[in-house]
Amino acid sequence: KNQVEQSPQSLIILEGKNCTLQCNYTVSPFSNLRWYKQDTGRGPVSLTIMTFSENTKSNGRYTATLDADTKQSSLHITASQLSDSASYICVVSAQNTDKLIFGTGTRLQVFP
Amino acid sequence: DTAVSQTPKYLVTQMGNDKSIKCEQNLGHDTMYWYKQDSKKFLKIMFSYNNKELIINETVPNRFSPKSPDKAHLNLHINSLELGDSAVYFCASSQVFTANTGELFFGEGSRLTVL
Repeated sequence: KNQVEQSPQSLIILEGKNCTLQCNYTVSPFSNLRWYKQDTGRGPVSLTIMTFSENTKSNGRYTATLDADTKQSSLHITASQLSDSASYICVVSAQNTDKLIFGTGTRLQVFP
Repeated sequence: DTAVSQTPKYLVTQMGNDKSIKCEQNLGHDTMYWYKQDSKKFLKIMFSYNNKELIINETVPNRFSPKSPDKAHLNLHINSLELGDSAVYFCASSQVFTANTGELFFGEGSRLTVL
């Protein structure tokens, strides 16, 4: 069964610190993996999209990694800011399908 | 200008009523979607349309009926609302099908509360 699991479920860090969010998936055959940021009361916004051949992709202070062999991805946030407080959702797409499989997200709270 | 806009943002109604949520995108995209996000924040696809044609129709009660008058609009009509329909509904659009790494643009969501 195609699944996407994220950890931790929630995370609290202090402003300026780094953090790493994890995503494990069982989706096969793999097509691409995305990370979305969802602010409270808003729609998800795309951070990165990675295909099978990409190991790392950055978007400002956000860096996503992908290990297609172990079916794991991580999202690293550098020098966190208060505005990073949000849910981060890992989404995986399988080949030959139009459907995305969503993880339940990691709720990040950044405190001053 | 908002890329994907949905109305209303909040909707509170009684069980058994019929309601609609409207969605419009000004990105010139060919594909539009409706997603449901439950209380556990899990997003699940409901429908997708490509150039006004239904492509994905997940196992959704037939009380839910999408309507696409043109490729820039995808409305969601819900008949005989039930308590379990309470959720946040997100409209989204993409230039190509998401399986082809098409970037997905979401609206701000419509929070439906059924009393």
